[in-house]
Amino acid sequence: EVQLVESGGGLVQPGGSLRLSCAVSGFTFSNSWMSWVRQAPGKGLEWVANIKEDGSEKVYVDSVKGRFTFSRDNAKNSLFLQMNSLRAEDTAVYYCAREGGGYFWSWGQGTLVTVSP
Amino acid sequence: EIVLTQSPATLSLSPGERATLSCRASQSVSSSLAWYQQKPGQAPRLLIYDTSNRATGIPARFSGSGSGTDFTLTISSLEPEDFAVYYCQQCTNWPRTFGQGTKVEIK
Repeated sequence: EVQLVESGGGLVQPGGSLRLSCAVSGFTFSNSWMSWVRQAPGKGLEWVANIKEDGSEKVYVDSVKGRFTFSRDNAKNSLFLQMNSLRAEDTAVYYCAREGGGYFWSWGQGTLVTVSP
Repeated sequence: EIVLTQSPATLSLSPGERATLSCRASQSVSSSLAWYQQKPGQAPRLLIYDTSNRATGIPARFSGSGSGTDFTLTISSLEPEDFAVYYCQQCTNWPRTFGQGTKVEIK
């Protein structure tokens, strides 16, 4: 069974930092592109970033470039999203997702990040 | 950035009725379009990829069509579990973008 489990969300002040994790099982993680997709409260979906199987390529949406860093540890079947200089508009549920061919095949349950004073 | 515009915002229908959801792209995405279903408190689920291919385990009542800039998701006969929000998504260009969603609600 494919499982993706996010953790690390919480309340943080504007300008602060947070590190999200995603533990993966049930498929060959090291062969998979992976993504983060976020959803602000009551809003739609926004793709944030993705990472190649070996971590050698990463692409970010413009709004997080220079602030967020996506990494992975294939030995531990884990993803990480380091989020710095957080803003109110980063408040959202963050989902990790298995990507293939540009589509998002499997999703975690999400972790909520709230940026507020 | 490719903007995807979904219509209508809300569709009010009864179980057993046919649902037709639209997604229009600001420029051609060829056939690189997917549809997702999201229920309250849950993660999205991939329904359709490459415009018309059903993902594993998706019932045949879900079908997708279109090409270029205009796409349609059709639910042939609504089941109670189909009332949800539906999003389209393109993967032709970076960044990957989603439509704003269509809510299918019980009339």
